[in-house]
Amino acid sequence: DTGVSQNPRHKITKRGQNVTFRCDPISEHNRLYWYRQTLGQGPEFLTYFQNEAQLEKSRLLSDRFSAERPKGSFSTLEIQRTEQGDSAMYLCASRTGLNEKLFFGSGTQLSVL
Amino acid sequence: AQKITQTQPGMFVQEKEAVTLDCTYDTSDPSYGLFWYKQPSSGEMIFLIYQGSYDQQNATEGRYSLNFQKARKSANLVISASQLGDSAMYFCAMSATGGFKTIFGAGTRLFVKA
Repeated sequence: DTGVSQNPRHKITKRGQNVTFRCDPISEHNRLYWYRQTLGQGPEFLTYFQNEAQLEKSRLLSDRFSAERPKGSFSTLEIQRTEQGDSAMYLCASRTGLNEKLFFGSGTQLSVL
Repeated sequence: AQKITQTQPGMFVQEKEAVTLDCTYDTSDPSYGLFWYKQPSSGEMIFLIYQGSYDQQNATEGRYSLNFQKARKSANLVISASQLGDSAMYFCAMSATGGFKTIFGAGTRLFVKA
């Protein structure tokens, strides 16, 4: 069990640029989540995958955000035309279908200048 | 809709003493789970304890216990014998049984004093 892995750990970008983050869940976990966390707040749900199917997406997520999980393994989260308000920690979590406990990665800290 | 409320932005506790972190919730789901996670300054969320809504006994995990009062819709975390390493953000969370997403409260920052 190598845990949930997220890359990169930090990303600095200029406003208007596109960024992509990667998450590698624990191998036997078929459920994968993306959360966004701003300073001093709790994680905010963004989207959820069961295997390769994206089953739920937050209404707060604009069309600039897209996530994929090809083949039900790793997942990518892309933000197009980044804005300063996108600056946050992006957390990935995974779990099995039997246990609701989430295992989190260390997150990707995005700074949009 | 589900909601988690943590009303204590920050808490101080003396080392070796016990501390209670408050959490209230709201849900219309008949079956749900309640969680506490710890987030140290390193940023990684660490699972602490889980309570199912139909569990008869309050959950315990080492120095952590969850004081579950279903009628009051509260799920307070009790940390006994606080240690300096307990200084961190603590988040209460909830998910509907069989549901998709887990929602989190705003968190409580705990400071343990030597």
